[in-house]
Amino acid sequence: SQTIHQWPATLVQPVGSPLSLECTVEGTSNPNLYWYRQAAGRGLQLLFYSVGIGQISSEVPQNLSASRPQDRQFILSSKKLLLSDSGFYLCAWSLDGQGYREKLFFGSGTQLSVL
Amino acid sequence: EDQVTQSPEALRLQEGESSSLNCSYTVSGLRGLFWYRQDPGKGPEFLFTLYSAGEEKEKERLKATLTKKESFLHITAPKPEDSATYLCAVSSWGATNKLIFGTGTLLAVQP
Repeated sequence: SQTIHQWPATLVQPVGSPLSLECTVEGTSNPNLYWYRQAAGRGLQLLFYSVGIGQISSEVPQNLSASRPQDRQFILSSKKLLLSDSGFYLCAWSLDGQGYREKLFFGSGTQLSVL
Repeated sequence: EDQVTQSPEALRLQEGESSSLNCSYTVSGLRGLFWYRQDPGKGPEFLFTLYSAGEEKEKERLKATLTKKESFLHITAPKPEDSATYLCAVSSWGATNKLIFGTGTLLAVQP
C-alpha cells in the first residue's frame, strides 16, 4: 500500500532563517507531487506541483522554492523566511490520468511558525 | 477567476440531526468537484468526486450531489465521529493539476 511521509510535524523558525521541508512517498511510481499551504481561515493554496523528476510548476510567486531530486521525494525550501510564511504545509500525491489526478493523498502536515 | 465558496463556516448538530453543507463554485469548464474531510492537525482525506450535474455519490452517512452551480454534502443521522472540517474543491479543464479549495465547513456533532 502507498504511504506518504512528511516531516517535521512542528517547526518554529526565526524570520530570515532558511527552511527545508521534506516529503517522501512509498508504494507507487512516478506520482504527481504537490505542496499546499493552509493559513488560518483560508483555503488550501497550491504552492508547487511536479509531474516528474526535476519538473516543478510554481503557482504562487514568493520566496519559496521546490525541488524533486528523486521520483518519490519532494522538498520545499526557502533561503530567508518571512512572517507571512507561517502556516500549515501539506504535501500530497496523486496518480496521473482521468479520475485519479485530483484524488489527492495528503501527508500529516508541518505546522510552521515564523517568529 | 475560479472560485469556491462554502457555507456555513461552522455548523453544530445534535447526534442524529440531519443537515446539509453547501459548496458554490465558479469555474471555467468544470472538470470535477471534490469533497475532502479534514480532522484537526491532519491532512485532508478524500471522500468523493463528482463530474456532472445530477450525479450523486454516497458513503455511509454522507451523500454528495452536484448541480451546475453548487454541490451539497448531506449528512444523515450524524454521529460525533463525523465531526471534522469538510472541504470542497474544483478543478477545471484548463488547469487539471490545480485544485481550488474552499475554506471549509467546520462540523461539530454533539452526543
